[in-house]
Amino acid sequence: NAGVTQTPKFRVLKTGQSMTLLCAQDMNHEYMYWYRQDPGMGLRLIHYSVGEGTTAKGEVPDGYNVSRLKKQNFLLGLESAAPSQTSVYFCASSYTQGKNIQYFGAGTRLSVL
Amino acid sequence: LAKTTQPISMDSYEGQEVNITCSHNNIATNDYITWYQQFPSQGPRFIIQGYKTKVTNEVASLFIPADRKSSTLSLPRVSLSDTAVYYCLVGGTGTASKLTFGTGTRLQVTL
Repeated sequence: NAGVTQTPKFRVLKTGQSMTLLCAQDMNHEYMYWYRQDPGMGLRLIHYSVGEGTTAKGEVPDGYNVSRLKKQNFLLGLESAAPSQTSVYFCASSYTQGKNIQYFGAGTRLSVL
Repeated sequence: LAKTTQPISMDSYEGQEVNITCSHNNIATNDYITWYQQFPSQGPRFIIQGYKTKVTNEVASLFIPADRKSSTLSLPRVSLSDTAVYYCLVGGTGTASKLTFGTGTRLQVTL
């Protein structure tokens, strides 16, 4: 029972490089989310999706793009990484956004030099 | 938007009961109150959720007064392994874009 799996777990980028973070869930959840967490702070919502083929902006979407081509996968892309995007990224999923019980992955620690 | 306010930190001794209160004065009619626990280097983990009155599960209780403007997470007889950050989240249908975890409450349990 894998739940929510994030790939990779760690990554170091140089400024200007691009990369994609992958989130996969095996719980048949409709909703998926990407958050970032900076040291000593709570989680901030980047983008979210309410179903296959749909995405929407969260609180801090600038510099990120997302895609949900398959129900079980939610991709987060950084087209031109900046040091300000150094953070820990968490993916989550939920059955129904109404009750908001989200299941989280283990996180991806990203450093942009 | 139901903004939440929690204490930044709390300390407790092992075996004591810990109550963490969250204020959410602007909670909407269809909002649920959900608490998460986060250990270092891990993603948040769902603890308990409620809409009104009292909810209890195997790890915690959640007390919600009639006006729903606050809620209290109660952890009975905490142990060292309960040392973590606890987040109160208020939200419902249509509020995904406004979901914020805030800074949470850092609970430190000692012997």
